[in-house]
Amino acid sequence: LAKTTQPISMDSYEGQEVNITCSHNNIATNDYITWYQQFPSQGPRFIIQGYKTKVTNEVASLFIPADRKSSTLSLPRVSLSDTAVYYCLAHVSGSARQLTFGSGTQLTVLP
Amino acid sequence: GAVVSQHPSRVICKSGTSVKIECRSLDFQATTMFWYRQFPKQSLMLMATSNEGSKATYEQGVEKDKFLINHASLTLSTLTVTSAHPEDSSFYICSASGGTPDTQYFGPGTRLTVL
Repeated sequence: LAKTTQPISMDSYEGQEVNITCSHNNIATNDYITWYQQFPSQGPRFIIQGYKTKVTNEVASLFIPADRKSSTLSLPRVSLSDTAVYYCLAHVSGSARQLTFGSGTQLTVLP
Repeated sequence: GAVVSQHPSRVICKSGTSVKIECRSLDFQATTMFWYRQFPKQSLMLMATSNEGSKATYEQGVEKDKFLINHASLTLSTLTVTSAHPEDSSFYICSASGGTPDTQYFGPGTRLTVL
């Protein structure tokens, strides 16, 4: 399981774009990258998943460079309700895979 | 789609009693379910992995006789905390995978408080 490193915390203001970078230097060839969002006293919520280049959905974009040693979650125009902990995980795709959660990034959106 | 439910959402029990927590995948068949525990201000810690119809695999340090896991169907897994003690008070979260694309979806969590 690849170890991931993220900033412990980030602050932003409403309406700004937020980019959270995750480092995964020892990512394996078969590893995918998945980001989750967690609010207090709730289970993590799936945000986005990717393998390489760029993936975009209705809530976020995920940028993965060619060497795949890092990835960046981009949240466009954040609001106060985006204040949460964001987890980056690198894992092998497969129904029996395990997820190892790091410390995550506490994003605080300020008015 | 990909909704996972947990019941109950919170439970308070006396020390020495047993508590059962249910985890259900509502709109997909979950071949594998996972149970996590999360203490305040900490990250999620995997307790065990269960595959439908087979015994659960427990992480190091997790007592299998204390945390009984049953995964009897493709949509239901249960975690029973036996003889609960105050130190077992925590936030228990399940997740399920097995759909296409393969992604792990989490339940809303169960807050257990042991008095």
